[in-house]
Amino acid sequence: QQQVKQSPQSLIVQKGGISIINCAYENTAFDYFPWYQQFPGKGPALLIAIRPDVSEKKEGRFTISFNKSAKQFSLHIMDSQPGDSATYFCAASNNNDMRFGAGTRLTVKP
Amino acid sequence: DAGVIQSPRHEVTEMGQEVTLRCKPISGHNSLFWYRQTMMRGLELLIYFNNNVPIDDSGMPEDRFSAKMPNASFSTLKIQPSEPRDSAVYFCASSPNWSNQPQHFGDGTRLSIL
Repeated sequence: QQQVKQSPQSLIVQKGGISIINCAYENTAFDYFPWYQQFPGKGPALLIAIRPDVSEKKEGRFTISFNKSAKQFSLHIMDSQPGDSATYFCAASNNNDMRFGAGTRLTVKP
Repeated sequence: DAGVIQSPRHEVTEMGQEVTLRCKPISGHNSLFWYRQTMMRGLELLIYFNNNVPIDDSGMPEDRFSAKMPNASFSTLKIQPSEPRDSAVYFCASSPNWSNQPQHFGDGTRLSIL
């Protein structure tokens, strides 16, 4: 049972554009929603995270939007750069039981 | 400060052999997690420890898999006997304390079972 559904599987964006990745979850007990960035040959690295008491969190070019009633959250990457090309994972957690989305492979073309 | 350290980085072995993966968490982190990553199943949580005690091992696929954390600075994941379908990248992660803290991942062990 896939507890966190992520889309799209892959995304190609031009440099300077906005990258948007969406996730939906089922378990209302989840109370921590991180996004991870993974480069080839490396482990996932925490990018940004949100808790359900806020609807948006921004850190630099990265923004999480959170809709608790719809059980959806999304990552927006503004002014996308070629260095942002990586695989992005959303996740949802309850007491350290973290479930990951399937990942989105982002390619930012120069 | 050193991050999570995993060894070996790569392991190739024959079916039936015992495999031991090692992890050193970030100093001061009380929670440790083992994950498996495959193309088919993505990132799966296998087991996690808090203060060296296994809390949830429901993700461990079979009895062939076992994990230990003898002290705060070391954990092992063992597969015995190994099978080709165990081929994957295994990640260890640690976090500062209990309940929904950022998890810091190592660079993984790429395991190939022939």
